[in-house]
Amino acid sequence: DAKTTQPPSMDCAEGRAANLPCNHSTISGNEYVYWYRQIHSQGPQYIIHGLKNNETNEMASLIITEDRKSSTLILPHATLRDTAVYYCIVRPLFTGGGNKLTFGTGTQLKVEL
Amino acid sequence: NAGVTQTPKFQVLKTGQSMTLQCAQDMNHEYMSWYRQDPGMGLRLIHYSVGAGITDQGEVPNGYNVSRSTTEDFPLRLLSAAPSQTSVYFCASGSSTDTQYFGPGTRLTVL
Repeated sequence: DAKTTQPPSMDCAEGRAANLPCNHSTISGNEYVYWYRQIHSQGPQYIIHGLKNNETNEMASLIITEDRKSSTLILPHATLRDTAVYYCIVRPLFTGGGNKLTFGTGTQLKVEL
Repeated sequence: NAGVTQTPKFQVLKTGQSMTLQCAQDMNHEYMSWYRQDPGMGLRLIHYSVGAGITDQGEVPNGYNVSRSTTEDFPLRLLSAAPSQTSVYFCASGSSTDTQYFGPGTRLTVL
């Protein structure tokens, strides 16, 4: 699986958009970009995933660059409850050997008043 | 649906003791897996299963055993606990290509 690079921490004011970057310059053509988050002491929670088109759901938007070497997770109106560690993960849709996820150290997002 | 449940929530063991961490899911998912998370680090895969009767090793399998006799349950056994196994353990389940759903975790301390 391709490796990812994320900033270790970011701050965001409540009500503003939080833009979390991820670099995955070695991504392969069959690999998707997944985003999970982990609120303190809880199990990780799925947010969104995409291949090459931008994606949006009720939680967030995912913007993937045309060359697919980087992406940005956007939380449009961050709240205090969005304070969490955000993980960007790159993996094939079909892993063949199980639904494995390789977690890095992620980005600690702190949303403040 | 209860989703993914894990028991116990907390456990303290002495070195050399054995125990089983329980994980159950009610979503009829094929895939189940166990991760551990040490302080300040991301999750690391211990073992996983792609269906009943089928298991395989992940990144850090030493000291742990698993079995999958039913679709719903995927217990993790510590054979002889060591202080290095002090960690938070998460169980996850998912369908073949779908997202994974994680349990609330078991916090294990080995003295």
